[in-house]
Amino acid sequence: DVVLTQTPVSLSVTLGDQASISCRSSQSLEYSDGYTYLEWYLQKPGQSPQLLIYGVSNRFSGVPDRFIGSGSGTDFTLKISRVEPEDLGVYYCFQATHDPFTFGSGTKLEIK
Amino acid sequence: QVTLKESGPGILQPSQTLSLTCSFSGFSLSTSGICVSWIRQPSGKGLEWLATICWEDSKGYNPSLKNRLTISKDTSNNQAFLKITSVDTADTAIYYCARMGQLYYFDYWGQGVMVTVSS
Repeated sequence: DVVLTQTPVSLSVTLGDQASISCRSSQSLEYSDGYTYLEWYLQKPGQSPQLLIYGVSNRFSGVPDRFIGSGSGTDFTLKISRVEPEDLGVYYCFQATHDPFTFGSGTKLEIK
Repeated sequence: QVTLKESGPGILQPSQTLSLTCSFSGFSLSTSGICVSWIRQPSGKGLEWLATICWEDSKGYNPSLKNRLTISKDTSNNQAFLKITSVDTADTAIYYCARMGQLYYFDYWGQGVMVTVSS
């Protein structure tokens, strides 16, 4: 199975600062069709996860442009510029390139 | 407007079979490229993908559950189902269903249903 290793496990950020989360895969996530099925989700406290980024760097509808996904192959990053209070929660990366699909273990973002 | 809602037994005993239903609206599981997945989350822990069923009836399962899973759908009634056999306390979790599109991302999620396995 593909293992997605997220770092850091937790992150404490001052409002207005930037946050950066890494997701490293045990295998390349580029599929034979050339697409990379790597996504980012945010689970706010007490809520269901919500999609932020798909295909490495595409923001889902309604997601602020403060959220920027990047990377390729096995290394991916989610950057959140100008962190706002509503950004707190747990961030998960997810891959659907290889079967079985797998999630990263999560990164908890706290506001200082 | 796309919505999904999970339902289940709430509590069941070890060795029983867990049956979950995902009732959805705003889309059809007969539409090309559309799938529904089940994901679970034990209390205070991370997310685990369980299974996916797609419009043409293809299915995928997480092998970590060792053939205990069966996913199915009722297209006419806009429902998807998941059965987990021989449950034990490790299956205690919130179970979510989510819509998955052609690019294999979960764009809409249900609110989740809590399932407790206890004797």
